[in-house]
Amino acid sequence: DAKTTQPPSMDCAEGRAANLPCNHSTISGNEYVYWYRQIHSQGPQYIIHGLKNNETNEMASLIITEDRKSSTLILPHATLRDTAVYYCIVRSNTGTASKLTFGTGTRLQVTL
Amino acid sequence: DGGITQSPKYLFRKEGQNVTLSCEQNLNHDAMYWYRQDPGQGLRLIYYSQIVNDFQKGDIAEGYSVSREKKESFPLTVTSAQKNPTAFYLCASTTTGRATNEKLFFGSGTQLSVL
Repeated sequence: DAKTTQPPSMDCAEGRAANLPCNHSTISGNEYVYWYRQIHSQGPQYIIHGLKNNETNEMASLIITEDRKSSTLILPHATLRDTAVYYCIVRSNTGTASKLTFGTGTRLQVTL
Repeated sequence: DGGITQSPKYLFRKEGQNVTLSCEQNLNHDAMYWYRQDPGQGLRLIYYSQIVNDFQKGDIAEGYSVSREKKESFPLTVTSAQKNPTAFYLCASTTTGRATNEKLFFGSGTQLSVL
């Protein structure tokens, strides 16, 4: 699996955009970038995923660089409920299975 | 509503005891997974199954066992051989587990502690 690198923590003021970076410099051509978030003591929640093009849904936007070596998750108007650990993951095939390998993520703290 | 149900929410294990964590899904997914999470850490894969009656070891399978007798159920047994079982355990599922564009759906987790 491609390794991802994220900053351990970030702060964001409520109402502002939160931009969470992720490096995945060893990503392969068929590997998707996924973002999940985890609120304390709950299961991770899917946010968004993409391959090459930028993606947007009701939760967030995903910007992937042209060389695919890095990406940014954007929460356009962060609220206190967005405080969580955000995981950037690259999903790859290993033989007949595809697996997600989670790192330690970025702890986003949204403040008043 | 479709989803993944893990039970119990909290579980306590005595020394030398085996305990079983339940995971049920009604999403009609073929693939199911068990992850372990230690405080402040990411998730580590214990076991996964892509089809009934078949499963594979993940990265930290020692001291754990699983079964997949039904499509909707994937119980995890933490055996007495697992010397450090205290952790948060998460079950997940996805459509087939074979493609790289499938979302993973998670349960709400079980916190296991040793008495």
